[in-house]
Amino acid sequence: NAGVMQNPRHLVRRRGQEARLRCSPMKGHSHVYWYRQLPEEGLKFMVYLQKENIIDESGMPKERFSAEFPKEGPSILRIQQVVRGDSAAYFCASSAGGLPYEQYFGPGTRLTVT
Amino acid sequence: AQSVTQPDIHITVSEGASLELRCNYSYGATPYLFWYVQSPGQGLQLLLKYFSGDTLVQGIKGFEAEFKRSQSSFNLRKPSVHWSDAAEYFCAVGRTNFGNEKLTFGTGTRLTIIP
Repeated sequence: NAGVMQNPRHLVRRRGQEARLRCSPMKGHSHVYWYRQLPEEGLKFMVYLQKENIIDESGMPKERFSAEFPKEGPSILRIQQVVRGDSAAYFCASSAGGLPYEQYFGPGTRLTVT
Repeated sequence: AQSVTQPDIHITVSEGASLELRCNYSYGATPYLFWYVQSPGQGLQLLLKYFSGDTLVQGIKGFEAEFKRSQSSFNLRKPSVHWSDAAEYFCAVGRTNFGNEKLTFGTGTRLTIIP
């Protein structure tokens, strides 16, 4: 029973390039969450998605960041025109839905912007 | 909005000693509460959770936590730590009665184990 999968594990981008981070939830999970962890800080919520729907994007920066979870395939977090401040670890979590809920985390993608 | 405070940034304990990591939360009702552990360069692993019922919950790796409503606390304990317990520990809170929701995390406590 595979856990949450994220790829790539490490991503290096130059300033101004685009970064695409992928997340495949656990089997049977239809709820996906993205969190960002800046160096020496805790995790901050970014966005919550279900298949083809964004449920809560209150933690997403207003510009350059977008997320999707299509009917088929993984969830994608996209960062356009990356800047040095985007360097962080990005974690995806998934849950099965219903109450109570618990979220299972992937290994993360560590983005470095040079 | 809910919030989580982990007052200890870094704790050092001797191998075999007992451990208590503090967590205080702010939320208007009884929340869902979680403890996660993160080893360097790794993702987060769920140690234990509290949803309702018995306020003392048991988790993996010999950890337990106690929910104290009067103190708005959910402290993590282990009677005897092992060198492999060295990691970063995060407390998190989730709202109830709102369906699936984001988790709000504390800033973490880094645990160092000395021989």
